[in-house]
Amino acid sequence: AQKVTQAQTEISVVEKEDVTLDCVYETRDTTYYLFWYKQPPSGELVFLIRRNSFDEQNEISGRYSWNFQKSTSSFNFTITASQVVDSAVYFCALSEDYNQGGKLIFGQGTELSVKP
Amino acid sequence: EAGVAQSPRYKIIEKRQSVAFWCNPISGHATLYWYQQILGQGPKLLIQFQNNGVVDDSQLPKDRFSAERLKGVDSTLKIQPAKLEDSAVYLCASCLGAPPYNEQFFGPGTRLTVL
Repeated sequence: AQKVTQAQTEISVVEKEDVTLDCVYETRDTTYYLFWYKQPPSGELVFLIRRNSFDEQNEISGRYSWNFQKSTSSFNFTITASQVVDSAVYFCALSEDYNQGGKLIFGQGTELSVKP
Repeated sequence: EAGVAQSPRYKIIEKRQSVAFWCNPISGHATLYWYQQILGQGPKLLIQFQNNGVVDDSQLPKDRFSAERLKGVDSTLKIQPAKLEDSAVYLCASCLGAPPYNEQFFGPGTRLTVL
């Protein structure tokens, strides 16, 4: 069965701290995709990254970095030197292969609060 | 490029009333999704269209929810009659080509409150 678990419901940090958001997934497929989305207070989900199951290379984009480990079924997201504008709810999501229609299975979300 | 448009942004109704939501996807996007996001939870897929055909409606409560996508462009989602547990944000998303190879773009959502 497909499942995404974000065990951290809320995280609060002070500006400039580094913070890691955890994501653990379950799937029986060998081909799947993992995503991170940001949902600011405005409510619109903003795409951050997509990673397929065959690419375990870590990725860095500015202050954001992602660590994909198939051995532990995890796809963690780190924000370096956090800023107040990073305050939002972050969702990890899983999508299985094309025949599943590409629907996203979301985790419960982690609410990040960055205080000045 | 214009994003996914949704209306209304907010709606308050009494239980047992009807309500409809509208979504206009990004131009040229063949795939359209409706998700339901209950407070404190991640979005859950209700229905997926490919052009004007339904790909997946396995989690749509068909006794009260219906959706259509006429001419493969705009889509409407209807609830009739609404229940208290339908209070949620309804998100529309669209995708250019074959998901999941292409990202889904989300609209701002419609926040529904059922009293």
